[in-house]
Amino acid sequence: DSGVTQTPKHLITATGQRVTLRCSPRSGDLSVYWYQQSLDQGLQFLIQYYNGEERAKGNILERFSAQQFPDLHSELNLSSLELGDSALYFCASSAGTGADFSNEKLFFGSGTQLSVL
Amino acid sequence: AQSVAQPEDQVNVAEGNPLTVKCTYSVSGNPYLFWYVQYPNRGLQFLLKYITGDNLVKGSYGFEAEFNKSQTSFHLKKPSALVSDSALYFCAVSSFSGGYNKLIFGAGTRLAVHP
Repeated sequence: DSGVTQTPKHLITATGQRVTLRCSPRSGDLSVYWYQQSLDQGLQFLIQYYNGEERAKGNILERFSAQQFPDLHSELNLSSLELGDSALYFCASSAGTGADFSNEKLFFGSGTQLSVL
Repeated sequence: AQSVAQPEDQVNVAEGNPLTVKCTYSVSGNPYLFWYVQYPNRGLQFLLKYITGDNLVKGSYGFEAEFNKSQTSFHLKKPSALVSDSALYFCAVSSFSGGYNKLIFGAGTRLAVHP
């Protein structure tokens, strides 16, 4: 068990809808990362938050947004969902800022499987 | 842009035989390279990393990886495969752009170890 908790484990919704994925990092970790895993695109980095502030941005669509709350949990909001958004969404956490991965390890949750029908 | 490539979608090996999962990278400067493993229905787990120093790095579960600067490769190896090693393996590189570091993963290689 990595100590990173993601809910829900599975989510089935329809096109055009909006969903929220939740992530609780390991105790003491200040950074949260969101990744999208799909068959055709592999594991894509979406966004990182550190101590409540956006830190790094990857291939995140404008329809997607995220935030990290004062208690350090994070939410990924996906809106106007399309069939192509169906994927496994991972959250990871680390103790540091993400500025130097030589000293950091990412701990991943088990993911949220999103199915858009 | 920094990137990693895993040229094999799947690697099949018999239990007890040595295994190699390939990774090549494209970076400017000195790379930080990583291997992560994903077991079914689980998140990724850190296996090992190369930062500097000895080109052969040892990690969890008996895995090791060899950094080869001239070939820009970072292949994952294990002398004797176990059925329980069957999983999805990801190579990753630390990529600095836009003022921040990101961990960029390859597409993954599925390792199947047969009894």
